[in-house]
Amino acid sequence: DTGVSQDPRHKITKRGQNVTFRCDPISEHNRLYWYRQTLGQGPEFLTYFQNEAQLEKSRLLSDRFSAERPKGSFSTLEIQRTEQGDSAMYLCASSLVRGGSNTEAFFGQGTRLTVV
Amino acid sequence: DAKTTQPPSMDCAEGRAANLPCNHSTISGNEYVYWYRQIHSQGPQYIIHGLKNNETNEMASLIITEDRKSSTLILPHATLRDTAVYYCIVRVADYGGATNKLIFGTGTLLAVQP
Repeated sequence: DTGVSQDPRHKITKRGQNVTFRCDPISEHNRLYWYRQTLGQGPEFLTYFQNEAQLEKSRLLSDRFSAERPKGSFSTLEIQRTEQGDSAMYLCASSLVRGGSNTEAFFGQGTRLTVV
Repeated sequence: DAKTTQPPSMDCAEGRAANLPCNHSTISGNEYVYWYRQIHSQGPQYIIHGLKNNETNEMASLIITEDRKSSTLILPHATLRDTAVYYCIVRVADYGGATNKLIFGTGTLLAVQP
């Protein structure tokens, strides 16, 4: 499978615990996006990377959230001291920027987080 | 905020064409119209995009009005597997220098009926 891969698919955690999600983009894609989606809403942009550089962060990304893409390949999204309001689907997408153009974004299946 | 307006839901009979409208009256000259869909519990899937000409691919057709203030996504022969939320998004043409993030609204839930 050469699509965007996310792990885990589901995570249940207790309030106050830390969680980390992983995203493996399509191998040649240099851009990687994180989105969050709550029930009944469309996905909301959180942050994006161009190679290993994090170039934009949404105001939705509080201090408890941190994302990394250390080698410009896979990315991790960590949430510290989880709250019930963090319960959502976390989606990763990737695209290729080359020669002044950007392909459409390809999304993974998401990680569904439930904070109890 | 999303720059598009879509009906919250639509029904379509299996085998018939599904026509999903989208209003984007404030679209700028350098903004494309993109369509994605999201089947339950899956990530969004790219369908098609266009600037001002009508576009067709193996999944759908995109009809953009001459003034570019609205568009219609057409699924020519809807099947039960086309039941999904369809998102219409306007997106600045990206030459590699912009974020080019997608701003989703709440989309249209298309229910294909047997």
